[in-house]
Amino acid sequence: GENVEQHPSTLSVQEGDSAVIKCTYSDSASNYFPWYKQELGKGPQLIIDIRSNVGEKKDQRIAVTLNKTAKHFSLHITETQPEDSAVYFCAATPEGNYGGATNKLIFGTGTLLAVQP
Amino acid sequence: NAGVTQTPKFQVLKTGQSMTLQCAQDMNHEYMSWYRQDPGMGLRLIHYSVGAGITDQGEVPNGYNVSRSTTEDFPLRLLSAAPSQTSVYFCASSRRQGIYGYTFGSGTRLTVV
Repeated sequence: GENVEQHPSTLSVQEGDSAVIKCTYSDSASNYFPWYKQELGKGPQLIIDIRSNVGEKKDQRIAVTLNKTAKHFSLHITETQPEDSAVYFCAATPEGNYGGATNKLIFGTGTLLAVQP
Repeated sequence: NAGVTQTPKFQVLKTGQSMTLQCAQDMNHEYMSWYRQDPGMGLRLIHYSVGAGITDQGEVPNGYNVSRSTTEDFPLRLLSAAPSQTSVYFCASSRRQGIYGYTFGSGTRLTVV
């Protein structure tokens, strides 16, 4: 089955600096790669996603890049702010029992991002 | 529109007890799933459902049962609680089978003593 590895497990940056979190996946059939942000005591929230027909996607200070050949994708946060501090999860969808891509997301182990003021 | 509602928020069980974690969504989402979150292990899929009457196992299904009698509800049953099931449990839903983002509930923190 699909396996998603995420690095680093913790990341500390100064306010205003950039942060990069990297994930690799194993199943070449995966074609949807979302990123979630989890604040303390809350459920994860989708912040950005990318599909396999796109190499890069941006949304204000957040961007995601995808390299299908190498089977890795990354989250880039520019001009970090203290409110960006949270746990970030990447995920990927493998082929499912019902044919084609499903929403059976497999998650990475998470990155704790701390933005120091 | 409440989104995904999980109850209870906190629960303490004794080893061997059974209980049901409730999950309800009001967005008419066809796809629902249960994850457990443990330190250093991320979110692991327990069971999922692509629609009423259809369920399937995820990565870590042992010790858990699910059913999906309606589109709105997807309860998770612990048959005989064990300390290894101490975790935070999240329910998530999505518009339909396909490639869409999840909406997560706020979680249930379960401790088995």
